[in-house]
Amino acid sequence: GAVVSQHPSRVICKSGTSVKIECRSLDFQATTMFWYRQFPKQSLMLMATSNEGSKATYEQGVEKDKFLINHASLTLSTLTVTSAHPEDSSFYICSARKTSGSVHEQFFGPGTRLTVL
Amino acid sequence: GQSLEQPSEVTAVEGAIVQINCTYQTSGFYGLSWYQQHDGGAPTFLSYNALDGLEETGRFSSFLSRSDSYGYLLLQELQMKDSASYFCAGKAAGNKLTFGGGTRVLVKP
Repeated sequence: GAVVSQHPSRVICKSGTSVKIECRSLDFQATTMFWYRQFPKQSLMLMATSNEGSKATYEQGVEKDKFLINHASLTLSTLTVTSAHPEDSSFYICSARKTSGSVHEQFFGPGTRLTVL
Repeated sequence: GQSLEQPSEVTAVEGAIVQINCTYQTSGFYGLSWYQQHDGGAPTFLSYNALDGLEETGRFSSFLSRSDSYGYLLLQELQMKDSASYFCAGKAAGNKLTFGGGTRVLVKP
């Protein structure tokens, strides 16, 4: 199997606080994980590529100081939304690629719905 | 850059066949994949075409024509559970995927 979990599944926070989202590959090792953001009825927008043991690669327009990514092990990547604002409210989804696998076959977590009040 | 275009919505009845087209413009292309996403759920991988031609996986088939910058996903013998959004995706430079806008498929009894 290839299962990816995310925690929490849903979080509500106050404006100005920070929120950490965890993404774990449960039964395989993932050198590379990806973080996406998805608005209702829209596509998946890649935010950053998370590489184990090195700095994340951010997409154009994504603030690296606001969306902190840490990939400390082959099975865990975390996304921290710092000083969250209402416009950060969204569905955040991570995915993982098996170390020996193709980037075309990504295994997605169930997503985290963030609501910033 | 890379962009992928697909229709926003398709409606069909149970048992019917639906074809979801995906056209792309890219400055470097390495194959086309397809994902299914039910409302509120995670995208799941359906298929990948690295080369031209048809790939069949049960009721779902995917086709690619690199010369036409075009591919499609064919859903046969539609079932109610096939109601979902379907995304085509292409591999961009930097070993990452770019997703199309998604096609919402609504299956009616």
